[in-house]
Amino acid sequence: QSVLTQPPSVSAAPGQRVTISCSGSSSNIGINFVSWYQALPGTAPKLLIFENDKRPSGIPDRFSGSKSGTSATLGITGLQTGDEADYYCGTWDSSLTTGEFGGGTKLTVL
Amino acid sequence: QVQLQESGPGLVKPSETLSLTCAVSGYAINSGYYWGWIRQPPGKGLEWIGSIFHGGNIFYNLSLKSRVTISVDTSKNQLSLRLISVTAADTAVYFCARGGWNDPLSLTYWGQGTLVTVSS
Repeated sequence: QSVLTQPPSVSAAPGQRVTISCSGSSSNIGINFVSWYQALPGTAPKLLIFENDKRPSGIPDRFSGSKSGTSATLGITGLQTGDEADYYCGTWDSSLTTGEFGGGTKLTVL
Repeated sequence: QVQLQESGPGLVKPSETLSLTCAVSGYAINSGYYWGWIRQPPGKGLEWIGSIFHGGNIFYNLSLKSRVTISVDTSKNQLSLRLISVTAADTAVYFCARGGWNDPLSLTYWGQGTLVTVSS
């Protein structure tokens, strides 16, 4: 049972925008950075967003991140079929002194 | 270019010890950043196993803490994972990754992962 809560699935049409939420608490998201990952079958997860809203080199600006209080959100605009994947949020929990991932959200591009 | 490569047995018997190494190239582990292990059981989500900071601080998943050891061999520039008393629940793809300088979960560079199956 993860301390970070994500919706199990989201879906949208190609070209549309989708958001994925990640809900935590004052000991994790509330005071630490949030990262977001894209996981495709058979490959290592890819870092999309770090430090809440920063994109690594090579990640298109269709991907964005934000944080407010104890929740974080990943936004994806201009959806493409290639965006179909599982998405995970991750952060540090200062009370537990552990790293935490959300349960993952499966994105379907209809 | 930082690269990580996991290696180790693909099959481990129940109650035995799982041992994996992660060879790092393109960056000296003892120069900084967090380094960690993550696993993904078949059909399930990501699970953080633990992270080590270049200064020596090590943090473990509380549910694995009694069984897991993460260490660094600076002479070989490699990261190691040791998990004792394994069961079928430890069957997973195991990844090593480099975290951020201050954030263990900003995992920028990953190995390709190695599947470890626990079975007799």
